[in-house]
Amino acid sequence: LAKTTQPISMDSYEGQEVNITCSHNNIATNDYITWYQQFPSQGPRFIIQGYKTKVTNEVASLFIPADRKSSTLSLPRVSLSDTAVYYCLSVRNNDMRFGAGTRLTVKP
Amino acid sequence: ETGVTQSPTHLIKTRGQQVTLRCSSQSGHNTVSWYQQALGQGPQFIFQYYREEENGRGNFPPRFSGLQFPNYSSELNVNALELDDSALYLCASSLRQDYNEQFFGPGTRLTVL
Repeated sequence: LAKTTQPISMDSYEGQEVNITCSHNNIATNDYITWYQQFPSQGPRFIIQGYKTKVTNEVASLFIPADRKSSTLSLPRVSLSDTAVYYCLSVRNNDMRFGAGTRLTVKP
Repeated sequence: ETGVTQSPTHLIKTRGQQVTLRCSSQSGHNTVSWYQQALGQGPQFIFQYYREEENGRGNFPPRFSGLQFPNYSSELNVNALELDDSALYLCASSLRQDYNEQFFGPGTRLTVL
């Protein structure tokens, strides 16, 4: 599975849009790109998954360029409760490998 | 619908002891994965069980073993505990083996003294 690289931390303010970009240079043809969110002392929670182009759900959008070597998670109008660690992963047949994640801090 | 549950919540053991952690998967899910998460790190994949058979393993020694039962609940066993085994152990279930969305339990916090 491809190893992912993402920023260690990011800061934002309430009401702003946050974009977290992840690189996965060695992604394989069968890999999906998945993002999880984790709050302290809880298990990770699935946010969104995509293969290419754009995917949107009620929580976030995921942008994947044609070469699939990166992906961007977009969180619209963040609130204080969005403060968490965000992980991007390449996933194949339910095999998931987490990196260190991006610690997002939303300030008032 | 009941989510993924894990027991116990917290556990303290001493070096050299053995421990068994338990996980009940979400209803209808036949695939269970176990992860170890050290403080400040992302979860590290230990192994996955699909229909009672091990279906993939991460870079963990054989003293980490597991079981999956006919009702798809699962156990993680760790023998000869070491101080570095102190971590949050997470269980995640999935609808089926080739389905990429996993549902995580709250974890078991293991402290080895």
